[in-house]
Order: sequence, then C-alpha cells, then structure tokens
Amino acid sequence: QSALTQPPSASGSPGQSVTISCTGTSSDVGGYNYVSWYQQHPGKAPKLMIYEVTKRTSGVPDRFSGSKSGNTASLTVSGLQAEDEADYYCSSYAGSNNYVFGGGTKLTVL
Amino acid sequence: QVHLVESGGGVVQPGRSLRLSCAVSGFTFSTYGMHWVRQAPGKGLEWVAVIWSDGSNKNYADSVKGRFTISRDNSKNTLYVQMNSLRAEDTAVYYCARGIAYHYYVMDVWGQGTTVTVSS
Repeated sequence: QSALTQPPSASGSPGQSVTISCTGTSSDVGGYNYVSWYQQHPGKAPKLMIYEVTKRTSGVPDRFSGSKSGNTASLTVSGLQAEDEADYYCSSYAGSNNYVFGGGTKLTVL
Repeated sequence: QVHLVESGGGVVQPGRSLRLSCAVSGFTFSTYGMHWVRQAPGKGLEWVAVIWSDGSNKNYADSVKGRFTISRDNSKNTLYVQMNSLRAEDTAVYYCARGIAYHYYVMDVWGQGTTVTVSS
C-alpha cells in the first residue's frame, strides 16, 4: 500500500494551465480506470472533483480535466483562477478492497 | 442535504482506545459503502478503512490492521471506528466519507473531520 507519487507543488499565473501528475503502478493506477481527484482548501474537508479518470462531478467547472496514460494519471486545470489555489490529491483503487492516495500537490496561483 | 458529522475525537494516551462516530443524514445510509480517511498534521490523506453497505465486507490499511475496527449501525445511520492500542502516529484528523461506484472507490461526500491526538 505505497502512496501514489505526486509533485509536492505546482504553480501558474491566472489564466494559464497547469498539470499535476499522479504516478502509481500496474496494481493501482495502471490496472484500473478508477482514479479520483480531490481538492482540499486549508482547514476544509476534501472535495471530489474527478472520478473514473476523466469524469467531473456535478458542479465542477470544465476547466478541470483528468487523463491517464499507463501508470500515470494527470489533472489539468485550465484558465487558472485564484480560487483554484488548494491542495490536490489523487486516489486509486488498488485491488482487493484497498485504496491509495497520492501525497498531495499544493497548487499556487501566482 | 447530505451531511456527515464525525464525533468522538480527543486527546488520548498511547496504548489507550477511542471510538469515533459518523452520523449521516440526507441519504439512504444502508445502500452506501463508507470509508474512514485520516490526515496527520501537515500531511496528506491516508485511507484507513472501508465497510460495505450491509457490513458484510471490511478492509483496513496495513498501518491500522489488527488495531482498528470499522462498523456501522444502519438502523441508527451511524458509522464507527474503534481504535485500540493507539500510537503517536495515529494523531490525525479523521474523516468519514461516503463511497460510491466500483467497490465504493469514489469518496463523493465527506464529513468535516474530528481530531484525534495521541500523546502522554
């Protein structure tokens, strides 16, 4: 049950695009299309943004998109806005009723 | 609206026990899987445990296996986690989350969390 690998930080200016990667193994990210992304603002509970690699949950702007290639999933935020500044976590089903999160990425809007 | 409210957190000495509760409302509790997820101070999210909608299936992270027990009372719309033999590294905010989709892997609704501090 090793954590998925995310970059500790990412940044971009308002209006720009930024992509956050999430690398796992063939036992989790690479083995299933069951990857989710969560946004967490300081002091708040996580919020589901993306599930099943690419599907946005209700109310999430289409500026947020997900993708996957092999053992690496990615979250892209286009047209960055100040309110996008938060921590982002990926998560994957890892088989046998196990679930794993990434270490988290702090997104800064410059 | 869908609500999940955790309770039961506090300061506890190493080796002691604590039981957390998660009271839910706004949806049919008995038809959803449920998770506990924790977050140590300044750290990332860590999945802790899952329980199937009818309680028939449970699983735990290796870090808590044998010490934590997840359970639910569908008649009371409440999820629990019994935490025994607590260690300093169990200090965290504990969230309950509703699970949906394949093997409940999507955690679509979260509570606000309850803080557990393990310290002498």
